[in-house]
Amino acid sequence: GNSVTQMEGPVTLSEEAFLTINCTYTATGYPSLFWYVQYPGEGLQLLLKATKADDKGSNKGFEATYRKETTSFHLEKGSVQVSDSAVYFCALRVNSGNTPLVFGKGTRLSVIA
Amino acid sequence: GAGVSQTPSNKVTEKGKYVELRCDPISGHTALYWYRQSLGQGPEFLIYFQGTGAADDSGLPNDRFFAVRPEGSVSTLKIQRTERGDSAVYLCASSPSRGSTEAFFGQGTRLTVV
Repeated sequence: GNSVTQMEGPVTLSEEAFLTINCTYTATGYPSLFWYVQYPGEGLQLLLKATKADDKGSNKGFEATYRKETTSFHLEKGSVQVSDSAVYFCALRVNSGNTPLVFGKGTRLSVIA
Repeated sequence: GAGVSQTPSNKVTEKGKYVELRCDPISGHTALYWYRQSLGQGPEFLIYFQGTGAADDSGLPNDRFFAVRPEGSVSTLKIQRTERGDSAVYLCASSPSRGSTEAFFGQGTRLTVV
């Protein structure tokens, strides 16, 4: 089956620290990979995506590289801010088109000043 | 509307009652999804519509759950004989067309069964 495993939280970092949130996947087909973010009191928002191996998705200083050989899509940011405090979800979608997303359990990040 | 709209934002119901949750997708989006998110978990897929038809309902947990999208726009998720274990946030998302990879989410309906 298709599944996503991401590191358990919560993760607490000081402002300007380096962030890594690990994500690995299992998929029967060739998936597209996503990171979604849920800020307090808001809905899920797409943060970044990659649709094929070796693609790098990036947005708001966050990056993730689609690694087919390690079936991973780790999220990184060089210098986190308090405003990055949120829950981050790794997700995949197999096949093209509008098949449903499969999500990991989420990682809560708290950044303290 | 600018985004996916879900109503109500909160619903408290008694065990055994029937509830309906509504989703208004982004105008023109053909694909619509329902997910359920329990505390501390990621969203779990329930059902997916392409147009008016349910393309995949494999995530519905049992026959107490049903969803419709009669005109290919607004969708209603219906839960009969609610149980305390149904308490969760129910999320709706939509995508613009076949071939699109991004889904846009509403803020969800928090259902509490007491």
